[in-house]
Amino acid sequence: EAQVTQNPRYLITVTGKKLTVTCSQNMNHEYMSWYRQDPGLGLRQIYYSMNVEVTDKGDVPEGYKVSRKEKRNFPLILESPSPNQTSLYFCASSLTEDYEQYFGPGTRLTVT
Amino acid sequence: QKEVEQNSGPLSVPEGAIASLNCTYSDRGSQSFFWYRQYSGKSPELIMSIYSNGDKEDGRFTAQLNKASQYVSLLIRDSQPSDSATYLCAVNGGATNKLIFGTGTLLAVQP
Repeated sequence: EAQVTQNPRYLITVTGKKLTVTCSQNMNHEYMSWYRQDPGLGLRQIYYSMNVEVTDKGDVPEGYKVSRKEKRNFPLILESPSPNQTSLYFCASSLTEDYEQYFGPGTRLTVT
Repeated sequence: QKEVEQNSGPLSVPEGAIASLNCTYSDRGSQSFFWYRQYSGKSPELIMSIYSNGDKEDGRFTAQLNKASQYVSLLIRDSQPSDSATYLCAVNGGATNKLIFGTGTLLAVQP
């Protein structure tokens, strides 16, 4: 089954404790992206990747890191999480940046 | 001006009616346009993609694109209570490689 998977689905952590949210797709897509969704603000892009080893900042990259060492994986790293990073996070992938994006199930992160 | 604008709603329609959702965008060079449906707490699900001016139909859904007016719409015929969700308009291409989302329109279909 073609899909985008994310782990974990739910995470509660404390300020400053490094964490990684994994994202994987099995559709051989070149383009992958991370979004956060907050009430009233909609979906905002954090980082995106056009292909392996090619990443760039989205609209809200501060406090996040990404890497793209393999085509299928695009992990999101929070080196020192803060409470303002409490949000619902989605990973998405598409064939290229011009095509429809398919979303993972989401990761609900709470930072206390 | 926001890059992609939608009326937040809620848009309330009776079961069986046509729901009309609208979206405007600011980047005249945009090339790709999408409608997603999102249930509360769930991930966005692609409903329609449209790339050229005119209408595109898929089952009960019709997407309409007018690039001259920078306007995209989604019509849902024979609306069902299960269509109640937030509908997100997304626009890509133009000056960036990013997919820009509107904040969504909440649709409520009344039985």
